[in-house]
Amino acid sequence: GESVGLHLPTLSVQEGDNSIINCAYSNSASDYFIWYKQESGKGPQFIIDIRSNMDKRQGQRVTVLLNKTVKHLSLQIAATQPGDSAVYFCAEAYNAGNMLTFGGGTRLMVKP
Amino acid sequence: ETGVTQTPRHLVMGMTNKKSLKCEQHLGHNAMYWYKQSAKKPLELMFVYNFKEQTENNSVPSRFSPECPNSSHLFLHLHTLQPEDSALYLCASSQETGLAGVGEQFFGPGTRLTVL
Repeated sequence: GESVGLHLPTLSVQEGDNSIINCAYSNSASDYFIWYKQESGKGPQFIIDIRSNMDKRQGQRVTVLLNKTVKHLSLQIAATQPGDSAVYFCAEAYNAGNMLTFGGGTRLMVKP
Repeated sequence: ETGVTQTPRHLVMGMTNKKSLKCEQHLGHNAMYWYKQSAKKPLELMFVYNFKEQTENNSVPSRFSPECPNSSHLFLHLHTLQPEDSALYLCASSQETGLAGVGEQFFGPGTRLTVL
């Protein structure tokens, strides 16, 4: 049969609105989480990280929320801009190791 | 620019060819990584080198052979690949302190590999 590519969920938002991208992680032992942004033709770029002893961390226009009870991570982007259009990946690591496990990604499309 | 360069950016090879991908980091980092990004799966870690020593081989087939001659350079040698190996191969580097926590990984732009 025909191979099917990885289906990326897509979030479409209006410029200036806030965006929320969600991620469910798999390993309850994970203690470090990262959000990456990947634009077309480029490698992933670090956005923000959070350790398991925190439930919220803020950066410039971005906030990451961690809910360990339900193994859920979210990335909030305030005042979304066209330059934010990209695929966003969450990644997890555990035991302070440097092996990252990535999620499938979400495509963010910003409408002008 | 992230400080991590990869060459070539595009590569087309037959199943009987031997080729190598090159990665160079200009960040003074002590850890380097190879990842595979395909249309069918999430980004997958292939190999990890810490202080030039391979510390992880994530069940990668032997037709992929990594080499890390020094802390700034990383190669991925390819031979007798299959069409399903076609993907974007990403290199990354980080500064691992040995303390609790993972260093931020900086990615190169990737090599788009097509196996015919």
